[in-house]
Order: sequence, then structure tokens, then C-alpha cells
Amino acid sequence: EVQLVESGGGLVQPGGSLRLSCAASGFTFSTDRMNWVRQAPGKGLEWVSYISSSSTTIYYADSVKGRFTISRDNAKNSLYLQMNRLRDEDTAVYYCARGMTGMNYFDYWGQGTLVTVSS
Amino acid sequence: DIQMTQSPSTLSASVGDRVTITCRASQSISSWLAWYQQKPGKAPKLLIYKASSLESGVPSRFSGSGSGTEFTLTISSLQPDDFATYYCQQYNDYWTFGQGTKVEIK
Repeated sequence: EVQLVESGGGLVQPGGSLRLSCAASGFTFSTDRMNWVRQAPGKGLEWVSYISSSSTTIYYADSVKGRFTISRDNAKNSLYLQMNRLRDEDTAVYYCARGMTGMNYFDYWGQGTLVTVSS
Repeated sequence: DIQMTQSPSTLSASVGDRVTITCRASQSISSWLAWYQQKPGKAPKLLIYKASSLESGVPSRFSGSGSGTEFTLTISSLQPDDFATYYCQQYNDYWTFGQGTKVEIK
């Protein structure tokens, strides 16, 4: 069974940093593309970042470019999102999501972790 | 950037109704469109990919159609478990979601 479990969320002040993790199991993590998607309270879904299976290709949404860094450790079956210079508008539930092989839609999602940016 | 616009934003319907949600792309995305269902406090769940392909395990009352810039999600006979918010997503050029359509009980 495919499982994605996010962790690392919490309360942080504006300008602060946080590192999210996503632990993967039930599939061959090292061959799959991964993404981060977020959802502000009461709002819709926003794609945040993409990383290819070998980390050679990385993309970011304009809203986080230069502040967030996506990475992965295939030996640990883990995906990460380093978030720096956090802003109020980064408050959201952050989901990790697997990109379907051969296509790019998201077939499995974690349960999400809440990041609250507030003073 | 490709923008995705869903309509309506909210839909009130009864069990057994046929429900249709529309999604329009700001430019052609071929058939690179997915539909997701999300319930409160839960992660999105994939329903449809490549505009009309039903994800394994998803009930056959869900169907998708369209190509280019206009797409629809249809629920042939609404069930109590289907009251939720539905999102379209283009994956032709990066990834963009529609703003969502909330299906409420009438």
C-alpha cells in the first residue's frame, strides 16, 4: 500500500524557517517524481514544487521561488521542503504528492502538515 | 501561465441527481487534465486523469470528457458520499488547479 506521511509543520514567525519531511513507503520511491502542493485555510490547491526521481530536474511556483528548496533522499525514501523567509501567506496545509510515472498528474497524496506563519 | 476556471463555484443537488462541473483552460492543454475530490480535512483523491480515464477503484458514476480548453466532470447519479469539493488540474505545462466546485446537499 502506498503511504506518504508528512511531518515538520508548526507555528513559525514571519521571516523564519521550517523544514517539512515526507516519508514514503509501499512503492519504489527512487523511481518516482514527487511534488509539494499547499492549501491555505478555506482556499484551493496550489502546486508548490516538483522534483524528478534523481533530483536532476526541479521546478518551483513563482510564489516560493528563491525562498523554498525541494530535495529528496532516495536511500531514506524521503522528500523534503526547506522553507525560508516565510510569510503570512505561506500559511497552509502542505501535502506531498506522487507524480504518476509517464504522466504528471498526482496519484497519491499524504495527509498533509499544517504550517502557520504568524507573530 | 495556464489559468484554470471552474464553474459553478458551488452546486446544490440532491441524491440521485446528475451533476456536471465545467473546467476551462486559458490555452489548449490537449487532454492533460485530471479531476480530484476532496472532503473536509482530507487529502485530495484522484478521480479522472487524461481528461476521461477513470482511476482504478473510482465508481463508474464518475466520468470526464473534453479536450483542448473545455472539460467536464459528470456524476451520473449523485450519492451521499459524493458531497465534497472537486478540483480540475492541468498538467500540460507545470501544474495549475481550478478554484474548486463545492457540491452541497440541496
